[in-house]
Amino acid sequence: GENVEQHPSTLSVQEGDSAVIKCTYSDSASNYFPWYKQELGKGPQLIIDIRSNVGEKKDQRIAVTLNKTAKHFSLHITETQPEDSAVYFCAASKTGNQFYFGTGTSLTVIP
Amino acid sequence: NAGVTQTPKFRVLKTGQSMTLLCAQDMNHEYMYWYRQDPGMGLRLIHYSVGEGTTAKGEVPDGYNVSRLKKQNFLLGLESAAPSQTSVYFCASKITGTPGELFFGEGSRLTVL
Repeated sequence: GENVEQHPSTLSVQEGDSAVIKCTYSDSASNYFPWYKQELGKGPQLIIDIRSNVGEKKDQRIAVTLNKTAKHFSLHITETQPEDSAVYFCAASKTGNQFYFGTGTSLTVIP
Repeated sequence: NAGVTQTPKFRVLKTGQSMTLLCAQDMNHEYMYWYRQDPGMGLRLIHYSVGEGTTAKGEVPDGYNVSRLKKQNFLLGLESAAPSQTSVYFCASKITGTPGELFFGEGSRLTVL
């Protein structure tokens, strides 16, 4: 099956700085890569996703990049705010129905 | 608008006891999933269902059973709980077809003593 690795496991940044979380996947057939944000005591929520026919996607302060050749994708958050503090999960899927998640990154934004 | 609802939210079991976690969704989604979340392990798929009456194994199915008798409900059962099943369990659902958003419940924290 697919193996998704995620780094770093914890990340602290000053408010206003950028944060980058990186993931690698093993199955070259994977073609859909979502990112989920989990706030304390809640279930994960989709924040952005990218498909393999696109190299980059942006949504306001959040962007995701994909390098199919290297089999890695990254989440970029610019101008971080305290409300960005959460656990972030990357995932990969080749069927669109079964998802393999990374181990999560706990992001802390220091005011 | 309830979305995905899990019950119970907290439960403490003794080793060997059995229990069932209930997941209910009101979005008419075909696909439903059960994940477990453990520190440093991320979210791991236990079982999933692609429609009423169907179930399939995920990455870590041992020790669990599931049933999908109604489209809106997906039950996760532990027949003989073990301490290794102490975890936070999340149910999720999604629409059929092309890749799309998983909608998660708020989780059920299970402790097995």
